[in-house]
Amino acid sequence: ETVLTQSPGTLSLSPGDRATVSCRASQSVSSSDLAWYQQKPGQAPRLLIYGASNRAAGIPDRFSGSGSGTDFTLTISRLESEDFAVYYCQQYGSSPFFGQGTKLEIK
Amino acid sequence: EEQLVESGGGLVQPGGSLRLSCAAPGFTFSRHWMHWVRQAPGKGLVWVSRITGDGSETVYADAVKGRFTTSRNNAKNTLYLQMNSLRAEDTAVYYCTRDSRYGGDPTFDLWGQGTLVTVSS
Repeated sequence: ETVLTQSPGTLSLSPGDRATVSCRASQSVSSSDLAWYQQKPGQAPRLLIYGASNRAAGIPDRFSGSGSGTDFTLTISRLESEDFAVYYCQQYGSSPFFGQGTKLEIK
Repeated sequence: EEQLVESGGGLVQPGGSLRLSCAAPGFTFSRHWMHWVRQAPGKGLVWVSRITGDGSETVYADAVKGRFTTSRNNAKNTLYLQMNSLRAEDTAVYYCTRDSRYGGDPTFDLWGQGTLVTVSS
């Protein structure tokens, strides 16, 4: 089983700041199998990024994903108020696995 | 409109059973693998199970193997999760989610609103 570890656990930033969330895998992951999701309180998760770097339909271009192998990154270039949420990376694989989540909170 | 609508959650005693349903209107249900994902209160997302489009193959997380059964009725556009021998640690919001491929890359691109299962005496 591939374990995903996200850092930091909590990120405190202000609107307009740049946010960077890291996702490290315990073994190499195919970039095709790496996705990012956003979850707001009381809501279901929403797909942001798939294939490590491809934005899902309707996702603003301030969201970007990068990385390969065991290290992946989600970047939000200029935070807007609606971006404060919890973010999860996920690897698909034979048994899909989510990282533990990163809470992005307003500073 | 494409959507997923879960139902069937509620309060159940330890050792009891519950069946969740996920209605899937608005898209060709049989073309998609489907998954169940759960989230304990205040915790992260945990994958539970998946089923192929024709229902012929299922895979489960170790934590639920032998207790949970995922099935589907493509004629009714509905996914099911039969949960037996429930434990307190199964308490969670259960989401159904659609598996779609974009350029061959797998995604969970559509999610239901979730249904809460509480296991308690």
